[in-house]
Amino acid sequence: AQSVTQPDIHITVSEGASLELRCNYSYGATPYLFWYVQSPGQGLQLLLKYFSGDTLVQGIKGFEAEFKRSQSSFNLRKPSVHWSDAAEYFCAVGPKTGAQKLVFGQGTRLTINP
Amino acid sequence: EAQVTQNPRYLITVTGKKLTVTCSQNMNHEYMSWYRQDPGLGLRQIYYSMNVEVTDKGDVPEGYKVSRKEKRNFPLILESPSPNQTSLYFCASAPGVGLIGLAGQETQYFGPGTRLLVL
Repeated sequence: AQSVTQPDIHITVSEGASLELRCNYSYGATPYLFWYVQSPGQGLQLLLKYFSGDTLVQGIKGFEAEFKRSQSSFNLRKPSVHWSDAAEYFCAVGPKTGAQKLVFGQGTRLTINP
Repeated sequence: EAQVTQNPRYLITVTGKKLTVTCSQNMNHEYMSWYRQDPGLGLRQIYYSMNVEVTDKGDVPEGYKVSRKEKRNFPLILESPSPNQTSLYFCASAPGVGLIGLAGQETQYFGPGTRLLVL
C-alpha cells in the first residue's frame, strides 16, 4: 500500500537554527515527491518537488530537499529558519503516470522559538 | 490572478441538512480534486476528476458526491451530513494528469479551505 510517514508530529527550533523535517514513503515505484507548507488559516502552498534528475532540489523560501532512493526518503531542510517559517509541513507522493492521486503524510508542525 | 476558490470558507450545519461546497478554478485545469484534513491524519482524498464528466473515488468517498459539468467547477455535495464529516476541506486543481514528459504539470494548486462543523 502507498503511504507517507512523517515521524515528527511537532518540532520546535530556535530562530536561526537549522531545520530538517523527515519524510519516508512506501510506494510501488519511484513516485513524484512534494513538500507543501500550510500557514495558520491558509491553504497549502507548494515548497518544492522532485520528478527526476538531481536528487537535491531547491524550493521557495530557502528550502531544499534531498531524495534518497535507497532510504525511500525525501527530507526537507533549511539552513537557518525564520519566525515566519512556523507552519505545518506536509510531504506528499504521487504517481508518475495516470491519475494525480496525491498521498499525504500526517504533517509536521513547526514552532519557532525567538 | 490564477487561483482556486472555495465557498463558503466556514459553515456550521446540522445533521442531515444537505449542503454543497463550491470549488472553482480559473486556470483551465483538467484535473480537480477534493481532500479533507483531520488532525493527525494529514490530507485524504475524497474524490477527483480528470476532466469534464469524469469523476472517481479517492480514499474516503463515503457520504460525499461530486459533479463535473464544467471544466472550472467541481462542487462537493454532502447529501446528509453527519458529525464525522466535521473537517477542513480543500479543493485542488492541476493542469494535466501526470503524463510522462510533462514535468511540472503534476503540481496541484490548492484552494484556501472550507471549515465545516456538523452538529
